Amino acid sequence: EPEVTQTPSHQVTQMGQEVILRCVPISNHLYFYWYRQILGQKVEFLVSFYNNEISEKSEIFDDQFSVERPDGSNFTLKIRSTKLEDSAMYFCASSDWTSGSGETQYFGPGTRLLVL
Amino acid sequence: AQSVTQLGSHVSVSEGALVLLRCNYSSSVPPYLFWYVQYPNQGLQLLLKYTSAATLVKGINGFEAEFKKSETSFHLTKPSAHMSDAAEYFCAVSVGGSQGNLIFGKGTKLSVKP
Repeated sequence: EPEVTQTPSHQVTQMGQEVILRCVPISNHLYFYWYRQILGQKVEFLVSFYNNEISEKSEIFDDQFSVERPDGSNFTLKIRSTKLEDSAMYFCASSDWTSGSGETQYFGPGTRLLVL
Repeated sequence: AQSVTQLGSHVSVSEGALVLLRCNYSSSVPPYLFWYVQYPNQGLQLLLKYTSAATLVKGINGFEAEFKKSETSFHLTKPSAHMSDAAEYFCAVSVGGSQGNLIFGKGTKLSVKP
């Protein structure tokens, strides 16, 4: 069964450093998302992406964040200058509207980011 | 604005007992509702979803949920708990229609005692 994959599974970085989290969505999906889950808190929406542009973003997704689909398979989240409060599990998700099951978002296993 | 409330951050049941995980939502438009499960060190897996068809929705692993508009609820149930059901369960509502982002509840951790 197709699945969303994410790399790395864990990342440790120093405050102020740039990080890039990578995701490979399910191949025929058209909509892509990033969510995060700070330890002990709820999963929060960051951004959605369709047709090579941001569809929607939350207030969390400030100028330090950016997303890109650099090729036909990868979907990346970049944090330019990490802060301690960026430490969280980051989930990528994708969905396919054209199949009629577009309401379902399929999630990857997550990248655990620790900012020191 | 849409929101989701999950009552009980931690629920413990005995193996073979009924599982009931509560979810209430707030939405100004007809919602899409989801239950996701997260096993330790894994991502979120869809259990079931409500998309305005049948109000009783059956999902994987014997779980089901009933959409009750009058109570703004979407509680998750399973008649008989299994040890493998131990996980964290998240209720979510979709914002802005079928491609909207998901708003999650805080999650309920289910423990199953032998």
